[in-house]
Amino acid sequence: QKEVEQNSGPLSVPEGAIASLNCTYSDRGSQSFFWYRQYSGKSPELIMFIYSNGDKEDGRFTAQLNKASQYVSLLIRDSQPSDSATYLCAVKAVSGTYKYIFGTGTRLKVLA
Amino acid sequence: DGGITQSPKYLFRKEGQNVTLSCEQNLNHDAMYWYRQDPGQGLRLIYYSQIVNDFQKGDIAEGYSVSREKKESFPLTVTSAQKNPTAFYLCASSRANSAYEQYFGPGTRLTVT
Repeated sequence: QKEVEQNSGPLSVPEGAIASLNCTYSDRGSQSFFWYRQYSGKSPELIMFIYSNGDKEDGRFTAQLNKASQYVSLLIRDSQPSDSATYLCAVKAVSGTYKYIFGTGTRLKVLA
Repeated sequence: DGGITQSPKYLFRKEGQNVTLSCEQNLNHDAMYWYRQDPGQGLRLIYYSQIVNDFQKGDIAEGYSVSREKKESFPLTVTSAQKNPTAFYLCASSRANSAYEQYFGPGTRLTVT
């Protein structure tokens, strides 16, 4: 069973700090990696995607991918109370399939 | 505005009744998906479709059925055979290339009593 693992949290960080969210995956052939933010009672919202090893930055968000170690992380700089949500990691299976595998999410709490 | 719409937002049904959830997208995406989310749980794939008139079972297809007669539409029927239908149902879509990201609709919260 191909899996995506996340620590369920909650991860509590003070306002203005860096929040670091981690995700590991089991399928070494995975090609595409996504981070979604989900507020309570709402649907997931795509915030970052990354395909290549290394870092990808978008505003306060940085996604990091290490395919050799099979992990992907999300850094949120200058965390705000509005960043408090559950963050879902998703992995696209190998080429030719349209299935995405989701982790169960990490709940982030940013304390004012 | 391009996006994915799901209706209704909330749905209440009696046990034993079939119910159909609507999903429409105007993003010109080829692939569409249905997920189920239970409280405190991750997303579980019910069905997905890569092209019109074709769809595949996901991990929890039992008790559900779908159709894909138009590119824009992918309705999900929750049948009376589904043992635990109360959940948050999410529709999503993506472009055809296997690398592309997936976008979600606002969801339908189904309660069966």
